[in-house]
Amino acid sequence: NAGVTQTPKFQVLKTGQSMTLQCAQDMNHEYMSWYRQDPGMGLRLIHYSVGAGITDQGEVPNGYNVSRSTTEDFPLRLLSAAPSQTSVYFCASSYGQGVTEAFFGQGTRLTVV
Amino acid sequence: AQKITQTQPGMFVQEKEAVTLDCTYDTSDQSYGLFWYKQPSSGEMIFLIYQGSYDEQNATEGRYSLNFQKARKSANLVISASQLGDSAMYFCAMRDPSGTYKYIFGTGTRLKVLA
Repeated sequence: NAGVTQTPKFQVLKTGQSMTLQCAQDMNHEYMSWYRQDPGMGLRLIHYSVGAGITDQGEVPNGYNVSRSTTEDFPLRLLSAAPSQTSVYFCASSYGQGVTEAFFGQGTRLTVV
Repeated sequence: AQKITQTQPGMFVQEKEAVTLDCTYDTSDQSYGLFWYKQPSSGEMIFLIYQGSYDEQNATEGRYSLNFQKARKSANLVISASQLGDSAMYFCAMRDPSGTYKYIFGTGTRLKVLA
């Protein structure tokens, strides 16, 4: 009963380093997305995908890349980490249509020093 | 553009009392979904309740109910008989069921239940 699996849970990066946050879901959901959560700002959409091979930018896409080669996986890549990217990151998935809730991963707390 | 507004950064409620968390939304779409999530101090996002824009009755799930007033564009969460475990951050969200299917979140309300 895995749902949405997000790794790692914690990460510390140095400025300029790159890394990939992994997200996998086993519910055959078409829609997947990445959010960042910062104090007082709620959850802001970084990138999303409505199906394999299709991705699009959200509200705050700069500094992040995504790809969706399979239905199950939606990794988020930080190209050159900056202190402004210190945040908690959530991956979420849902069915592609209808009034259905999003299922969230456990979150990744990322610190860029 | 779609937007969710939660105007209460923080709220207190006495244990066993009811509390209402406010949420207003802005959309020009006729079909949309509204959701509430709970985020306890452990950090996970827990889905609580949802309301479709065409649903005529307010949604209820146990102690949670959604007071949906379409004309006023509000979707307030009502928690009855508050418990200490209800202390958490609460997020209101909206989904566009057509087009991009994006979920838009508000900034959240931190609820503290007092013993």
